[in-house]
Amino acid sequence: NAGVTQTPKFQVLKTGQSMTLQCAQDMNHEYMSWYRQDPGMGLRLIHYSVGAGITDQGEVPNGYNVSRSTTEDFPLRLLSAAPSQTSVYFCASSTQGRDQPQHFGDGTRLSIL
Amino acid sequence: GENVEQHPSTLSVQEGDSAVIKCTYSDSASNYFPWYKQELGKRPQLIIDIRSNVGEKKDQRIAVTLNKTAKHFSLHITETQPEDSAVYFCAATLGGGFKTIFGAGTRLFVKA
Repeated sequence: NAGVTQTPKFQVLKTGQSMTLQCAQDMNHEYMSWYRQDPGMGLRLIHYSVGAGITDQGEVPNGYNVSRSTTEDFPLRLLSAAPSQTSVYFCASSTQGRDQPQHFGDGTRLSIL
Repeated sequence: GENVEQHPSTLSVQEGDSAVIKCTYSDSASNYFPWYKQELGKRPQLIIDIRSNVGEKKDQRIAVTLNKTAKHFSLHITETQPEDSAVYFCAATLGGGFKTIFGAGTRLFVKA
């Protein structure tokens, strides 16, 4: 049981490049979410999904796209990377239902030059 | 928008002392309040949580209290140890139960 797996662990991009951060979970969790973590700002919700085919925006969705075609996978896409998107990105999942604890992946450290 | 405020941002205590971290939330419909611990370079991990129908919850040296009227909740760590040094995040789920908003974090240093 691997839990929540994120790839890659590190990535450097140039401004304007596109990229997809991968997230997969093997716990059959319905709920998945993406956060970015910046110094002094905690974890800010980017997008979330309550099940396959259903996604919604979080606090900071601009510049990011998501889709949820399967229960297991929830990729995050940066269509045109900007230096302001330099951050550590965490994917998380939780079991079905409201008000549940989240299980986090190990994170992707992304630098945009 | 809805938010969660967390204080202090940094806390330094002597080993064996107690540590208290406080959070306030804005959404009166919030019903779930988890706390996460994040060690340097690692993922956040749940350490304790509390739901709105409970005022206090304990797990060994860790306790959390909730005051729904004041929209305030706190983490208490007793008999602190050097391995408690980490960043602690409070969080609250918004009224719908699926969006979780985090506080900015508290960096706890426990001096041996």
